[in-house]
Amino acid sequence: GQQLNQSPQSMFIQEGEDVSMNCTSSSIFNTWLWYKQDPGEGPVLLIALYKAGELTSNGRLTAQFGITRKDSFLNISASIPSDVGIYFCAGLRASGSRLTFGEGTQLTVNP
Amino acid sequence: DVKVTQSSRYLVKRTGEKVFLECVQDMDHENMFWYRQDPGLGLRLIYFSYDVKMKEKGDIPEGYSVSREKKERFSLILESASTNQTSMYLCASSPIRQRLKNYGYTFGSGTRLTVV
Repeated sequence: GQQLNQSPQSMFIQEGEDVSMNCTSSSIFNTWLWYKQDPGEGPVLLIALYKAGELTSNGRLTAQFGITRKDSFLNISASIPSDVGIYFCAGLRASGSRLTFGEGTQLTVNP
Repeated sequence: DVKVTQSSRYLVKRTGEKVFLECVQDMDHENMFWYRQDPGLGLRLIYFSYDVKMKEKGDIPEGYSVSREKKERFSLILESASTNQTSMYLCASSPIRQRLKNYGYTFGSGTRLTVV
C-alpha cells in the first residue's frame, strides 16, 4: 500500500535547536495528523489539521496543512531531550476510515 | 483514561509455534487495526476490522490471521511463526470516520515478538 513520503528519515540535533520535518504525497488528503512514538511505546497523537492552509500549534510544536492538500510539515522549536522519539505523519482521505502513514522521522537530541 | 491494551510487552516464541497477540480497547471504537513496525519501514498494516466478525486484509497479511468476536477485542494470530515475523506489533483502534478526524487512532504500547 502507498505510504506518505516523510523526510528526513533521521535527525541528530543539539538541545535548543529547532527541528523541521515534512510529508508529501502524490494524492490529496482531507486531514493530516502528526504522531510521536516514545521509545518502547505506541504512537500518540500530537496535532490534527483539517483545512488546507491551516496552521496549528501545540506548545513548542507547530504543524501546517499544505495549500495543495498534498503535504504537511511539523516544526519543533527549542528542542529538549524528551523530544527524542519517532515522529509519524498520517493522512486521511475523503472517504474511508483508514489512515496512511509516513515512514517516520527518528529524532535524537543531544543534551 | 481511555486505553488500548496489548496483552504482552515482550514475547519469545519458537519457529512453527502458533502465536496469539491480544488487543483490548475500552473506548467502544468500531475500528481496530494491527500493524507491524520494523526499522526503516514505518508502520505496515496487517489486518483491520470495521465491526464484529468483520475483517479486511491490509498491506502485508501473509502468514497472519485475525479474529474479532467481540467489539472490544481484536486478536492477531501467527499460524506458524517464522523468524521473519520477529517485529514490534502495534494494535490501534479508532471511532467511525467523523470522530476519527478529531481523535485519530489510539495505539497500544506494542508487543515486541522474537521468533527463535
